[in-house]
Amino acid sequence: QITLKESGPTLVKPTQTLTLTCTFSGFSLSSTEVGVGWIRQPPGKALEWLALIYYNGNKFFSTPLKSRLTITKDTSKNQVVLTMTNMDPVDTATYYCAHQGFNSGWYPFDYWGQGTLVTVSS
Amino acid sequence: DIVMTQSPDSLAVSLGETATINCKSSQSILYNSNNQNYLAWYQQKPGQPPKLIIYWAAFRGSGVPDRFSGGGSGTDFTLTISSLQAEDVAVYYCQQYYDPPYSFGQGTKLEIK
Repeated sequence: QITLKESGPTLVKPTQTLTLTCTFSGFSLSSTEVGVGWIRQPPGKALEWLALIYYNGNKFFSTPLKSRLTITKDTSKNQVVLTMTNMDPVDTATYYCAHQGFNSGWYPFDYWGQGTLVTVSS
Repeated sequence: DIVMTQSPDSLAVSLGETATINCKSSQSILYNSNNQNYLAWYQQKPGQPPKLIIYWAAFRGSGVPDRFSGGGSGTDFTLTISSLQAEDVAVYYCQQYYDPPYSFGQGTKLEIK
């Protein structure tokens, strides 16, 4: 059974760096064809794809946010960490992590965490 | 980057009727090696994460009722919900996972008329 859970601060100040951790179970990011991505959703707005890391270490980022994002994996802890620098109130959103699997071809995000709301305010 | 555009932004349909949502990609998302369109549809209800309902444009996700169907190829896709039920009220998003960044559409809000 695949599960994912996001953790991190609920409140950050403008200009600070946000660090979010996705802790997962039911799969490994070390060998099988799998990816873990981050997606966010400002209150009342649409989903926005942020970043993705694959089992082989390949990483991809949202084009407008690329300079602010870092994504890493710790296969021993079954965790993926997303950092976003220079936070602004417009970055207030629910942040989700999600699993991407493979079976004769890549699937989309088939398992999602419940999300964590991050508010950016002084 | 591939841009995904959904229409309409909102839709009101009577119970038991059919709802159709459109999604257009700015370039083809048909993967030639397996002849699959890398297009997904998600359903999101208030306070919940998105749920995958369609992948590869036309394949239903696990446990998804057969009143949900996906179609289209290349750049133009549709999500059809037949015999609309009250529990189908949600926001629906399309997403391309053909070429990163894997962009989402802006969402379509489905309500009961």
